[in-house]
Amino acid sequence: KAGVTQTPRYLIKTRGQQVTLSCSPISGHRSVSWYQQTPGQGLQFLFEYFSETQRNKGNFPGRFSGRQFSNSRSEMNVSTLELGDSALYLCASSLDLRGTGELFFGEGSRLTVL
Amino acid sequence: AQKVTQAQTEISVVEKEDVTLDCVYETRDTTYYLFWYKQPPSGELVFLIRRNSFDEQNEISGRYSWNFQKSTSSFNFTITASQVVDSAVYFCALRLPTLTGNQFYFGTGTSLTVIP
Repeated sequence: KAGVTQTPRYLIKTRGQQVTLSCSPISGHRSVSWYQQTPGQGLQFLFEYFSETQRNKGNFPGRFSGRQFSNSRSEMNVSTLELGDSALYLCASSLDLRGTGELFFGEGSRLTVL
Repeated sequence: AQKVTQAQTEISVVEKEDVTLDCVYETRDTTYYLFWYKQPPSGELVFLIRRNSFDEQNEISGRYSWNFQKSTSSFNFTITASQVVDSAVYFCALRLPTLTGNQFYFGTGTSLTVIP
């Protein structure tokens, strides 16, 4: 069974640009959540999607957005990039919103903003 | 406000020593879930254990054991007879169900180095 797939794995952008990251969940998983991981901050919850709807959002500015498609694949977008957006962005999938709730993580997309 | 605190940033132990990773959480909800994840150098987080707020039973799985105490809001993780393969960053996490979905809170992680 294929795991969570995130693309691209690495990318470099400059300040002011925008970026779109993609996440394909485990087959059959309908819930996708996104996290920003930076040294010293751990993982910070960005948002959660289920049935193409954003269900919850973390404490991030509106420059961070996302969406989920009917096949449960998800994308997140960061506009007007800032240096502080450099981080590892992790996507996780779970079977549904309730239940046991284990998250299955992808390897992440490492974004560097110059 | 930080919902999950892992006060130990880095720990080093010599192989075969026991080590305990601390996790303190904060919530007023009566229903919640606690998790531990391992992030090896390769980067992908791996699920280790889940506990719900109604189940305070401690658990042992091989060399791993977990101590959940609601009275102190702690969910500590002990590795017995540590091995080099245990070297990783360990994250404690809290999931709070909401009306629409879930809110997730992760600690800042504890980097464990096991020295051969």
